[in-house]
Amino acid sequence: DTVLTQSPALAVSPGERVTISCRASESVSTLMHWYQQKPGQQPTLLIYLASNLESGVPARFSGSGSGTDFTLTIDPVEADDTATYYCQQSWNDPWTFGGGTKLELK
Amino acid sequence: QVQLKESGPGLVQPSQTLSLTCTVSGFSLTSYNVHWVRQPPGKGLEWMGRMRYNGDTSYNSALKSRLSISRDTSKNQVFLKMNSLQTDDTGTYYCTRETIAARMDAWGQGASVTVSS
Repeated sequence: DTVLTQSPALAVSPGERVTISCRASESVSTLMHWYQQKPGQQPTLLIYLASNLESGVPARFSGSGSGTDFTLTIDPVEADDTATYYCQQSWNDPWTFGGGTKLELK
Repeated sequence: QVQLKESGPGLVQPSQTLSLTCTVSGFSLTSYNVHWVRQPPGKGLEWMGRMRYNGDTSYNSALKSRLSISRDTSKNQVFLKMNSLQTDDTGTYYCTRETIAARMDAWGQGASVTVSS
């Protein structure tokens, strides 16, 4: 299985820029997606194919990367961005998720 | 408007079988793949399997021996059955729609399942 590794947590102040990383144990090309999950809610898609913004998602969110290293950037961070962020690969079965990065606002 | 809604029993006894239904609207099961994803309390997400638009299924090998996914296109429903449940199967179970670029663009609200006697 393709293992996706994320840092467990980050704390930033509103207005700052934050980058959340995801490293894959093998190349997944650009078949990497990012989801946001707020407490008590289902995940929602933010970025697909590594760098494409899902419809309706604010342009403050962006993604980059290919192969094994990927980044989700939020700039500027807003209070409403408090959530856990997951990367997910669909290059091969089983589809796998990173462990999630919990973003807290200072 | 694309919608998915999971339903099923909130409580299942250990060693019993879990049966969940995902009822979809706003799209056709014969045009889109539907997936099941689960999340233990306070933990991350796990992909369980998919029902393809053509009726084929794929499963996570970690669950394959216990898991079955089926559908009824006339009712716009996808079903999940998993047997031999244990306490670590407790969690929230989501159905999702897969769209272009193999991304899951719509998720149900989730069904909370507790495995306990």
